[in-house]
Amino acid sequence: DVKVTQSSRYLVKRTGEKVFLECVQDMDHENMFWYRQDPGLGLRLIYFSYDVKMKEKGDIPEGYSVSREKKERFSLILESASTNQTSMYLCASRGASELQPQHFGDGTRLSIL
Amino acid sequence: KNEVEQSPQNLTAQEGEFITINCSYSVGISALHWLQQHPGGGIVSLFMLSSGKKKHGRLIATINIQEKHSSLHITASHPRDSAVYICAARRPARQLTFGSGTQLTVLP
Repeated sequence: DVKVTQSSRYLVKRTGEKVFLECVQDMDHENMFWYRQDPGLGLRLIYFSYDVKMKEKGDIPEGYSVSREKKERFSLILESASTNQTSMYLCASRGASELQPQHFGDGTRLSIL
Repeated sequence: KNEVEQSPQNLTAQEGEFITINCSYSVGISALHWLQQHPGGGIVSLFMLSSGKKKHGRLIATINIQEKHSSLHITASHPRDSAVYICAARRPARQLTFGSGTQLTVLP
């Protein structure tokens, strides 16, 4: 079974802090994704990566950056956290083909105070 | 207008009822996904389909490409089916676009 592990289930940070969310997958997947999920808006893509050191902006990249130094790990960085970044963050991975399903982590509920 | 619309937003059913969740999309797609999210956050992929119908246990997913519409059916519903059900459309060479989800509650 594919395992996608997010480092924290719950996280509380303060405005202005630099925040790191970590995601690790164990299936040698090429593609990894970061989403945020807000009530009424569904999942929205922040960034994705199709290979080590490669990244592409999603629909809402502003205020975020990502890092993929190793194939199994994809990090989401909030450079200077703001209250409007309070949300549920979900990481996913997928193999090379678009026809394969995405596998999701359990999510990190992030609160910015 | 969202590219992917789900209805209803909330659905409450009695155990044993037949359930239908609808998904409409406004763009040409290469595939339509149905996902399930349980309380606590974890998301599981249920189906990916580009035509016709797929069945897995008590779950059935159908898609009508001409009408740009897909349905997820649950037969003999059970309280453990209570979850958020999400449809997502894949446009060619694009990433998934998600609906806002349907919260299903099945009462014993």
